Amino acid sequence: SQTIHQWPATLVQPVGSPLSLECTVEGTSNPNLYWYRQAAGRGLQLLFYSVGIGQISSEVPQNLSASRPQDRQFILSSKKLLLSDSGFYLCAWTGNYGYTFGSGTRLTVV
Amino acid sequence: GNSVTQMEGPVTLSEEAFLTINCTYTATGYPSLFWYVQYPGEGLQLLLKATKADDKGSNKGFEATYRKETTSFHLEKGSVQVSDSAVYFCALSDQSNTGKLIFGQGTTLQVKP
Repeated sequence: SQTIHQWPATLVQPVGSPLSLECTVEGTSNPNLYWYRQAAGRGLQLLFYSVGIGQISSEVPQNLSASRPQDRQFILSSKKLLLSDSGFYLCAWTGNYGYTFGSGTRLTVV
Repeated sequence: GNSVTQMEGPVTLSEEAFLTINCTYTATGYPSLFWYVQYPGEGLQLLLKATKADDKGSNKGFEATYRKETTSFHLEKGSVQVSDSAVYFCALSDQSNTGKLIFGQGTTLQVKP
């Protein structure tokens, strides 16, 4: 079966610290992968998407970066977190049955 | 560019009341339309979808009809339950090969017993 794993579920990080969120997909190959962010009181914003290994497209200028080192692995990173990076981060992939979202990571930058 | 606009929330209803959450969109071509639901503390789940004009998506008592003439995809339910309390997102699919979803800002629904 096709599943998506995202971790950690919650994270509290100080301003200026680095970030690494990981997402992996099972049961499919060459999926399109996405990182979305939901800031407090706001909707979902697409941050990055990837149509293949090493191919990353950024939707909005920001303090974050993404990488896809393997076909089914998508990583969201930052070298130095800002307070404004706080939010709920969702990884997703598309397959034959449409979008599947991970369970999300709630990041609080303090 | 493509965009989705949802009615402002929060929406507070009593149990068994009728629900409508408005959603309108701007898009070129013929996108697919979706409603997603996010229960407290969880990720997003697909609630229903419609892929062409006049299609009606339905699931768990919720319905939405793809209206090309009014560029709308309003979500309705005849009798809400406390368990329907959640955030609801309207979305459309980008028709490029990237498969991006464009989301509305979300509408919080609170159902009181």
